[in-house]
Amino acid sequence: DAGVIQSPRHEVTEMGQEVTLRCKPISGHDYLFWYRQTMMRGLELLIYFNNNVPIDDSGMPEDRFSAKMPNASFSTLKIQPSEPRDSAVYFCASSLAGVDDTQYFGPGTRLTVL
Amino acid sequence: GQNIDQPTEMTATEGAIVQINCTYQTSGFNGLFWYQQHAGEAPTFLSYNVLDGLEEKGRFSSFLSRSKGYSYLLLKELQMKDSASYLCAVSDGNAGNMLTFGGGTRLMVKP
Repeated sequence: DAGVIQSPRHEVTEMGQEVTLRCKPISGHDYLFWYRQTMMRGLELLIYFNNNVPIDDSGMPEDRFSAKMPNASFSTLKIQPSEPRDSAVYFCASSLAGVDDTQYFGPGTRLTVL
Repeated sequence: GQNIDQPTEMTATEGAIVQINCTYQTSGFNGLFWYQQHAGEAPTFLSYNVLDGLEEKGRFSSFLSRSKGYSYLLLKELQMKDSASYLCAVSDGNAGNMLTFGGGTRLMVKP
């Protein structure tokens, strides 16, 4: 398996623009997680899905953030409108059996909002 | 909520042994993970402890004491490639078993 795939790897955009991050989990994994990592706040869970259904989005910072999982092999995290403080590395991870199972992380998307 | 504490940075010498500590406070402990993260890369799984005691896996071992809210990661025969951040993460059974990550310990291995 190729592991968790994320795109793009790097994104530079201007404040106010819409940003869409994409993730393909490991085939057969029922859980998908979106994290954000910054120097100041470390690794934070934003939202996670089980069988394509959002289970907990309490980590989503604001209404500007939204996430979808239309099928078992694809998820998106959208920021609209983006702000400079959204600059971070966004990781997608998947696990086979649950939120407390080993999570496999994608390479991340480094987002810079100017 | 949870509170997870790890030292911010540590330095050790190639070939030596280093112990990275993690203390936590949680109302519904349901397991503790250690992840390794090299600079600019994604975290990768190292170990999982849910019962008290030591879990050994090659050069790496992880220890857990639930009564003390304490874990450590032990790295033996340090190699230069072990220079990375080490993240402690706790699963909270009162929060749907969700993981909360500590800030990570940046380990620098010197020749």
